[in-house]
Amino acid sequence: EAGVAQSPRYKIIEKRQSVAFWCNPISGHATLYWYQQILGQGPKLLIQFQNNGVVDDSQLPKDRFSAERLKGVDSTLKIQPAKLEDSAVYLCASSLEAGAPYGYTFGSGTRLTVV
Amino acid sequence: AQRVTQPEKLLSVFKGAPVELKCNYSYSGSPELFWYVQYSRQRLQLLLRHISRESIKGFTADLNKGETSFHLKKPFAQEEDSAMYYCALKGAQAAGNKLTFGGGTRVLVKP
Repeated sequence: EAGVAQSPRYKIIEKRQSVAFWCNPISGHATLYWYQQILGQGPKLLIQFQNNGVVDDSQLPKDRFSAERLKGVDSTLKIQPAKLEDSAVYLCASSLEAGAPYGYTFGSGTRLTVV
Repeated sequence: AQRVTQPEKLLSVFKGAPVELKCNYSYSGSPELFWYVQYSRQRLQLLLRHISRESIKGFTADLNKGETSFHLKKPFAQEEDSAMYYCALKGAQAAGNKLTFGGGTRVLVKP
């Protein structure tokens, strides 16, 4: 089975610029998550989708971050404008369903550096 | 609120020595606990989950609800166990089943 695909792998941008990340979950996985992992910390959930609906975006900085999953498959996460503190690895994960009694499958992540 | 604490940032042990990674959690309901591992240049992957009561790669973890802990143990560490380990908690459906991670523990197994 193919894993969770993310692109790009790396991105360097200047502060105040915009950036977008893409995620393609495992086929058939209804639930998709975006996590932010700052260096030296554990992953922090930004947003959770169930199909194309948002389940939890309580920790998403909505003044600059946005995410969508229009057709309930692929998802994009956007930052506009970026700040230095947004430098992190952005992880996408998917699971068959939100109530699945097992963990999630993670992508390789996108490493963002804001200079 | 869900919270996971891993008090050790770094654990350094010699090959063949026991290793124990501590994990404490805070959650008012009945949680599901997991250990994830990230080897160098690899993606985050599930190591084990408490409901399976399984041993993976020689690692075991027991959920202690009284002490709200889920420590990860291995009696004889190997060099290939060197990695980042994250403890994670999944709450109930009412909480969106979201996975909350601890800060991680880096394990270094020396030859």
